[in-house]
Amino acid sequence: GENVEQHPSTLSVQEGDSAVIKCTYSDSASNYFPWYKQELGKGPQLIIDIRSNVGEKKDQRIAVTLNKTAKHFSLHITETQPEDSAVYFCAASLGTDSSYKLIFGSGTRLLVRP
Amino acid sequence: DAGITQSPRHKVTETGTPVTLRCHQTENHRYMYWYRQDPGHGLRLIHYSYGVKDTDKGEVSDGYSVSRSKTEDFLLTLESATSSQTSVYFCAISRGTAGTEQFFGPGTRLTVL
Repeated sequence: GENVEQHPSTLSVQEGDSAVIKCTYSDSASNYFPWYKQELGKGPQLIIDIRSNVGEKKDQRIAVTLNKTAKHFSLHITETQPEDSAVYFCAASLGTDSSYKLIFGSGTRLLVRP
Repeated sequence: DAGITQSPRHKVTETGTPVTLRCHQTENHRYMYWYRQDPGHGLRLIHYSYGVKDTDKGEVSDGYSVSRSKTEDFLLTLESATSSQTSVYFCAISRGTAGTEQFFGPGTRLTVL
């Protein structure tokens, strides 16, 4: 079945620097890749997603890139701010179903130091 | 918050007792999901529903059942709770096509003693 690996598990950056989180997936049929941000005590919040027919997508300071050949995708946060501190999860859809069931990575705890 | 509420928000119960968690949505979405979140495992899909009375299993469905008699409500039942089911449970709805753009509720923290 699908497996999603996420690295690093923790990431500490200085405010204003960039942060990159990487995920790899195993099912070449996966075609939908969302990213979630989770703050302490809250549910995950969808921040950006990408489909397999697109190589890159940007939304202000956040971007996601997808390399289908290598089966990996990455989240890029530029000009990080303390409020970006949270746990981030990547996910990949199971590609064998007509409905999208998501397999999540194990999460990256991002700390932005003021 | 995508109009999703979960109840209860916290529950402590004993091994062997039945437990039902409720997810309620106000936006009339077709797809609803139940996940559990445990340290080191991210989120794992338990069951999902693609319409009233239409449900299917996820990757960790053993020990859980679900029901959806109305579009707005999706219930998760632990028939006989075990300590391994201590977890945080999240409900989600899909605002996009067939499971894309999933938005999550605030979660229910369940402790089984």
